[in-house]
Amino acid sequence: LAKTTQPISMDSYEGQEVNITCSHNNIATNDYITWYQQFPSQGPRFIIQGYKTKVTNEVASLFIPADRKSSTLSLPRVSLSDTAVYYCLVGVPNSGNTPLVFGKGTRLSVIA
Amino acid sequence: EPEVTQTPSHQVTQMGQEVILRCVPISNHLYFYWYRQILGQKVEFLVSFYNNEISEKSEIFDDQFSVERPDGSNFTLKIRSTKLEDSAMYFCASRPGQAATYEQYFGPGTRLTVT
Repeated sequence: LAKTTQPISMDSYEGQEVNITCSHNNIATNDYITWYQQFPSQGPRFIIQGYKTKVTNEVASLFIPADRKSSTLSLPRVSLSDTAVYYCLVGVPNSGNTPLVFGKGTRLSVIA
Repeated sequence: EPEVTQTPSHQVTQMGQEVILRCVPISNHLYFYWYRQILGQKVEFLVSFYNNEISEKSEIFDDQFSVERPDGSNFTLKIRSTKLEDSAMYFCASRPGQAATYEQYFGPGTRLTVT
């Protein structure tokens, strides 16, 4: 899996949009970008996955520029319950048994 | 929505004792995993399991660890002789067979405390 770099922590007020950027300069052609969320004392939870441009689901948007060397997870109008650690992972998804390799992630604290 | 379950939620054991952590993956999933997370640290991969055998294991998964899928629904992690440094949250995860995605479904974890 490609090496990723994310900010260690971020703070935000409720109602604001939060953008977390991940750098992955050595991303390979077949790599996808995947984001997971982990609440305290819970297992990680898949949020979103993308290859290029923009992907949006009910939870977040993922923006990937043309060179794919970085990506931005966007959380619209965060609430206190969005306080969690967010992990960026890069690699080739397949039907095989590839394990996930987590970094330290970005600890997002949402303040009232 | 189907989910991965794990029991117990918290296990306290003495050093040197054997522990078995249990997981029930989502019923139609084919790939199974154990991860652990020491307090304040990263989530670390331990082992993956497919078709009733280990597919891949990390350096952490030494001879003290074993996994089993005894009855087609449960997936267990056994630690034969626990050490203090085995204290961690242990997460089970599963995924469907054919999806080309990194989406794995994690359970709530078992907190193992070795004293």
